[in-house]
Amino acid sequence: SQTIHQWPATLVQPVGSPLSLECTVEGTSNPNLYWYRQAAGRGLQLLFYSVGIGQISSEVPQNLSASRPQDRQFILSSKKLLLSDSGFYLCAWSPGTAFGEQYFGPGTRLTVT
Amino acid sequence: QKEVEQNSGPLSVPEGAIASLNCTYSDRGSQSFFWYRQYSGKSPELIMSIYSNGDKEDGRFTAQLNKASQYVSLLIRDSQPSDSATYLCAVILTGGGNKLTFGTGTQLKVEL
Repeated sequence: SQTIHQWPATLVQPVGSPLSLECTVEGTSNPNLYWYRQAAGRGLQLLFYSVGIGQISSEVPQNLSASRPQDRQFILSSKKLLLSDSGFYLCAWSPGTAFGEQYFGPGTRLTVT
Repeated sequence: QKEVEQNSGPLSVPEGAIASLNCTYSDRGSQSFFWYRQYSGKSPELIMSIYSNGDKEDGRFTAQLNKASQYVSLLIRDSQPSDSATYLCAVILTGGGNKLTFGTGTQLKVEL
């Protein structure tokens, strides 16, 4: 069966510091991968998605970036965090079929102080 | 008009009752529809997917899709306190590839 991991689970970072969040998927190959952010009391906002190694599509221009160095690894980064970057960051994977179902990891709760 | 709309709630139902959650979408060409359950502080969990008009049942859950009226609903029979959560509707819009567009969710409270 497939498993998706995210770490760290929680993170408190000062404004202006860098960020690196990691997501890995087990038990499948060539998944579609997604990064979402959920601000407090808000809906899910798609940040980036990837259909293959090195292929990244950005949905929202901001100070975040994503990379996919390996088939089942997806990384979200920032060089300088803003207060507005606080939120619940979720990684998801999809088998890439036409049906489109996505499965979420446990998430990382980021607080920028 | 939002692409995927849900009533934010909270929707309160007594234990054992049927909870009815609704979602409307703006893109008539949408083909894939999903319901996720999200407990407070946790990540969303896929509970139902539906692709054709009509009903799809899975245990206590029934998803209903009406493409002509552009709505999808989720019925939860014999509601339990453990069903208390936020329910997110998600749709793949025309030309969206495999990207999901989410509603803001409906908070369900099942009361003893």
